Order: sequence, then C-alpha cells, then structure tokens
Amino acid sequence: GESVGLHLPTLSVQEGDNSIINCAYSNSASDYFIWYKQESGKGPQFIIDIRSNMDKRQGQRVTVLLNKTVKHLSLQIAATQPGDSAVYFCAETLAGGGNKLTFGTGTQLKVEL
Amino acid sequence: DTGVSQNPRHKITKRGQNVTFRCDPISEHNRLYWYRQTLGQGPEFLTYFQNEAQLEKSRLLSDRFSAERPKGSFSTLEIQRTEQGDSAMYLCASSLVGGGEQYFGPGTRLTVT
Repeated sequence: GESVGLHLPTLSVQEGDNSIINCAYSNSASDYFIWYKQESGKGPQFIIDIRSNMDKRQGQRVTVLLNKTVKHLSLQIAATQPGDSAVYFCAETLAGGGNKLTFGTGTQLKVEL
Repeated sequence: DTGVSQNPRHKITKRGQNVTFRCDPISEHNRLYWYRQTLGQGPEFLTYFQNEAQLEKSRLLSDRFSAERPKGSFSTLEIQRTEQGDSAMYLCASSLVGGGEQYFGPGTRLTVT
C-alpha cells in the first residue's frame, strides 16, 4: 500500500504486505530528516534518519528514500506487522540550526490481519 | 529506565490556573526541547535549551509560557493563567549537540476545563 501523507492521512495494509508512507517537506535548506512512529498516548519514537548527502538509508525492515529535487521523503516498511500500526511523522531540520524539528501532518497506518 | 521522563503524565486544570510540567532528559544529553502536540497534528516546536541556556523560543510561546533549565539537567515548563486553547500534549525531547536524533518522552497531557 502507498499513501501521499498529507492528502491521504490513513493507509490500510494487509499483514505481511509492504507499506510506503510519503511525505513532502517544506524547507529546501533542511539537511537532516527523521521518521518517527507514534502510538496512541505515547511520545514519538525514532525509526530511521537520513542526511541530505544521501538518497537512501536502510534499517531493520525499514528504508527511507530522499528526493531533494522534489522535496520528498518516503518510508518503506517491509512485511508490515500488526505492531507497526501507529501514526508516522516525517520531520525535517537544519542540523546547524539547533536541530529544532518541523513535523509533517502524519499518516495513520492500519495493519489488517 | 534511562529514557526521557516527564511528570505529570496527565494534568486537568481549570481555566485561569497555573500549571508546571517537568522533564528529565537522558542524563548525558545537553540539548533539551519542548514541543506541543494537538490532536491529529504533528508536534510543534516551542523552545530549546543547550545546557542551561535557552537558545530559541517559538512565537507560539506566548508570555504566559516560561521554561527553565536551571542546572542544565531537568527542565520545567510553566503556563500561567491557562486557557482552553492550551489543552494539548506537551512533549519533551533531548539530544546531544551535533547528534541530530532527538529522543522524546511520553508527554504530559494537559486538559483545561
């Protein structure tokens, strides 16, 4: 399944499928990007980050892609599990500017059994 | 638990009352951030400290809000004369200078009646 983040805030996928969550960031000067997962009633949890000198970074079951030309980030989750159900936020920052984060609106990921 | 902690987790107060929240960051982290999150939105930056110095405040932080980090360790966020519009989740995060990744606490949910 795939979402466009701001336009489709809910993404439903079947357990075991791959998920793609998209995010458009706003500041072309941003040089550091983070994906966070937030479960209901909890603070955001770091998933994966990427610096602007890279276009792809892989973690365990997750991959982040960065396209600076169109200011677009995506988060790919392989073999989505019920525990992945949460709201996912992308965040951007200027690493040399205090690192205050600017968050996108978020996408609700629902994993169906 | 060596993560970021926040107290209280929930606070219900009447309009016009003052409230104070506490954040204990990860012990070796010298940067501490406050964010506010309303339902369905991403966190919004309020202010941050590097050690005991408050280096930046958002225009969201009205004069009713004050934050301190007197010894460069824990921080407090006080809201005076609370208004219903102050109802939100107040999140604290910490990081190392140059480390990029911010670790969030569980948040304090404020409800102003």
